Amino acid sequence: GAGVSQSPSNKVTEKGKDVELRCDPISGHTALYWYRQSLGQGLEFLIYFQGNSAPDKSGLPSDRFSAERTGGSVSTLTIQRTQQEDSAVYLCASSPTVNEQFFGPGTRLTVL
Amino acid sequence: AQKVTQAQTEISVVEKEDVTLDCVYETRDTTYYLFWYKQPPSGELVFLIRRNSFDEQNEISGRYSWNFQKSTSSFNFTITASQVVDSAVYFCALRMNRDDKIIFGKGTRLHILP
Repeated sequence: GAGVSQSPSNKVTEKGKDVELRCDPISGHTALYWYRQSLGQGLEFLIYFQGNSAPDKSGLPSDRFSAERTGGSVSTLTIQRTQQEDSAVYLCASSPTVNEQFFGPGTRLTVL
Repeated sequence: AQKVTQAQTEISVVEKEDVTLDCVYETRDTTYYLFWYKQPPSGELVFLIRRNSFDEQNEISGRYSWNFQKSTSSFNFTITASQVVDSAVYFCALRMNRDDKIIFGKGTRLHILP
């Protein structure tokens, strides 16, 4: 069956530009998570959604980061005025329950 | 505060050796869940195991085994007779029952040398 998909797989942008990263969770999964993984580092929690609401936004690094989820399905992570330190792999995961997470392949963001 | 510590940043062993990856967690909650994930060079994280705080029974799955000890707040992962395909980054993670956020350790990069 279809897993979690993310697009684009790679994104190269110039400093100061806005970017949108998309996550398509597995159908029927109510929980959706965004993580950031910098080169050689662990997973940094950004935000998670339960349905369309985001009970915990504590991981968003700055107000340049925002995320939304519509229809309990697709989620978009937006980074405004990108900086070089935003360069990382952005991972999305979905979960049918609150336990096991299924991860997407990630979007590799490079800010020049 | 909740925290997961994987003290071993990188480990290298020769194929067929056994290797144990350490995970120590911190939480004041009595109900929680522990996880291990594998991230192979392809990049996509793969779920390996979930264990709840009330189940301290150790688990074995093929060459993989997990040792959960609440007394030491540890959830260690052992690979027996390691293979080159086991080379990956392994993450330990913690989730409290009261919310949905999963906290990951920084990972241990495992190299299995032929």
